[in-house]
Amino acid sequence: GESVGLHLPTLSVQEGDNSIINCAYSNSASDYFIWYKQESGKGPQFIIDIRSNMDKRQGQRVTVLLNKTVKHLSLQIAATQPGDSAVYFCAEGMNYGGSQGNLIFGKGTKLSVKP
Amino acid sequence: NAGVTQTPKFQVLKTGQSMTLQCAQDMNHEYMSWYRQDPGMGLRLIHYSVGAGITDQGEVPNGYNVSRSTTEDFPLRLLSAAPSQTSVYFCASSYGGDQETQYFGPGTRLLVL
Repeated sequence: GESVGLHLPTLSVQEGDNSIINCAYSNSASDYFIWYKQESGKGPQFIIDIRSNMDKRQGQRVTVLLNKTVKHLSLQIAATQPGDSAVYFCAEGMNYGGSQGNLIFGKGTKLSVKP
Repeated sequence: NAGVTQTPKFQVLKTGQSMTLQCAQDMNHEYMSWYRQDPGMGLRLIHYSVGAGITDQGEVPNGYNVSRSTTEDFPLRLLSAAPSQTSVYFCASSYGGDQETQYFGPGTRLLVL
C-alpha cells in the first residue's frame, strides 16, 4: 500500500546549526506535501507545504525540497533554535475534484536542539 | 477566533462504555476531520467531512461514528469503547479549497481500561 515514512526517527542538533529532516513517500500521484510541527501536548501546527509541480519552496527559516525522481521530501530549518524542538511530520495528500483530499502522515522525527 | 476546540481534554472509559468527543471550529471551514495518534506513529485519519451533512470514512473508521449537522461541529462517537481505542484524538479543519492549511485542535487523550 501507499505510505509516507521518515529516514531518521530522531535528530539532535546544536543551536544555530541547520537541521535537515527527511521523508520518503511512495504515492507518486500525491498532489501536495505538508510539513507539520508538533510540540509536546499540542496538536500539529502547519509549517510549510509544497505542490507536486514544484521542487522547492521557502518560508521563514524553513525550506522544503521535493525530489519526485526518488520520491523524497526534506525540511530544512536554518539557524535552529531551542523553540524548534518538536516532532516533525510530513504528510501527503491528493486533490479529488477540487474537494479536500485525505492526508497520510509519516511517523515523525523528533528534533532536539542542544543549547 | 477560538480556532479548533476539543472537549474533553482527558477521558478515562471502561471497556464497553460509549462517549462523544466534541470538536468545534469558528472559522467557517467546510472540511473537518478526526485523526488518532498512537505512540511512535503518525496521525491516522478516522473520518472526515467535506461539508454539513456529508461524512466519509478515513483509514481507520471501525468503532467510530460521526455526524455533521452544522458547519461548526463535528462530534466523534465511540459506540462501545475498547482498549485498542486508547489514543490521542485530534480534530482538524480547513477551507474547502485550501487543502494545505489544516488547523488542528489541542487533542483529547483517551484511556480505555
